[in-house]
Amino acid sequence: GQNIDQPTEMTATEGAIVQINCTYQTSGFNGLFWYQQHAGEAPTFLSYNVLDGLEEKGRFSSFLSRSKGYSYLLLKELQMKDSASYLCAVRSNTGGFKTIFGAGTRLFVKA
Amino acid sequence: SQTIHQWPATLVQPVGSPLSLECTVEGTSNPNLYWYRQAAGRGLQLLFYSVGIGQISSEVPQNLSASRPQDRQFILSSKKLLLSDSGFYLCAWESGKSSYNEQFFGPGTRLTVL
Repeated sequence: GQNIDQPTEMTATEGAIVQINCTYQTSGFNGLFWYQQHAGEAPTFLSYNVLDGLEEKGRFSSFLSRSKGYSYLLLKELQMKDSASYLCAVRSNTGGFKTIFGAGTRLFVKA
Repeated sequence: SQTIHQWPATLVQPVGSPLSLECTVEGTSNPNLYWYRQAAGRGLQLLFYSVGIGQISSEVPQNLSASRPQDRQFILSSKKLLLSDSGFYLCAWESGKSSYNEQFFGPGTRLTVL
C-alpha cells in the first residue's frame, strides 16, 4: 500500500527558516509534490521532485531521497502569509497513475 | 490558458438526499481528472480518478459514485447522503500527456449534510 507521514503542526518565527519533513512508502514511485493550502482554499502547486537532490525555487526548496523515501520542504525568510498547510503528495504508477496526498502540516508563522 | 470550474461553491443537504457536484475543465483535452474530499483540518482523500471518458477508478468504497460523460466533465454523485459525507470536495486535473503531472485544483465545494 501507500503511506505518507508528515508532522501535524509546526510553528516558526517571521524571517526564520523552517523545514517540513515527509516520509513515504509506495510502489511505482513516479514523483513527489509539495502543495500549499491556505484555510478554506484549494491547494496550489509549490514543487516537484522526481530525481534525488534539491530543487530550489525562490524562497522555497524541496529535497528528495528516493532510497530513503524522504523529502523535505524548506521555507526561507518566512513571512506571515506563509501560514498555511503544506501537503506532501506522492505519485504512483501502480494500478494506474494517481497522486496520493499526506494529511498536511499546518505551519503557523508568528511575528 | 486552462481553467477548472466547480459548482456549487457551498451546499447544505439533509441526510438521505441525493447529490450532484459538477466539475468542468477548459483549455485542455484528454485531462486526467480527480475527485478528492477533505474533512476539516485533514488531508486530501482521493475518491475517484479518470483517465478518459467513461473510465472511472474508485479508491474508497462508499456511497458516492463518479461519472465522466464528456472529456472535460467530471461529476460526483450520491443517491443518499450520509452525515459522514460532509466535507470540502475538490476536483483536480492534470495533463494526460506529460510526465510532469502537476495537479490544478478547482475552487472546491463545501458540503454540509445535516
